[in-house]
Amino acid sequence: RLQESGPGLVKPSGTLSLTCAVSGGAIRSIHRWTWVRQSPEKGLDWIGEISQTGSATYNPSLSGRVTISVDEDKKQFSLKMTSMAAADTAVYYCGRLYNSGWFRHFDSWGQGILVTVSS
Amino acid sequence: EIVLTQSPGTLSLSPGDRATLYCRTSESVTTNYLAWYQQKPGQSPRLLIYGASNRATGIPDRFSGSGSGTDFTLTISRLEPEDFAMYYCQQSGNSPWTFGHGTKVEI
Repeated sequence: RLQESGPGLVKPSGTLSLTCAVSGGAIRSIHRWTWVRQSPEKGLDWIGEISQTGSATYNPSLSGRVTISVDEDKKQFSLKMTSMAAADTAVYYCGRLYNSGWFRHFDSWGQGILVTVSS
Repeated sequence: EIVLTQSPGTLSLSPGDRATLYCRTSESVTTNYLAWYQQKPGQSPRLLIYGASNRATGIPDRFSGSGSGTDFTLTISRLEPEDFAMYYCQQSGNSPWTFGHGTKVEI
């Protein structure tokens, strides 16, 4: 089970920090922990992911603004996004990318958190 | 990046009807990496089909997926009231992973 937490309101040019708590299973796994956002304008938009080794991959469209990290002891992973603008207003989901080497898909999602960028 | 184009944008049907949803990718996608999701208002997406044709755990057998290369299809054989929702296809074959803009199945 995945649960996002963080502020629902971010100021323009500010930094978004979200955390996703993982329960009911190990955070250290072959699968990848991921962030996806959804807005009426852009639809579903993959932000990036992190593997069990701590290796992160990001969507090039957001490259330079995004950092994803994992804290195994706390069983959570986090998203940091800088230089937030109105266009970043969206529902942010954390999720798990099932990655067996044969199949790859998002098999688990958090409930989502609405983040609004506004002064 | 690979662009996924879903059609139609909206499908207006009745319970008991058959629904056929299409997803075309801008480049060939390995079937192992093509998935379909269902999303209802206020909820997060739910995995329906993975590997183009494999039903996820707990998904009824009225849902089926097919296709290969650049053309994929999701079929709902007989619509139940709870099936009226948005449906998205998604590819994980080439990074960045991308989603289609969805098909709304409405009554």
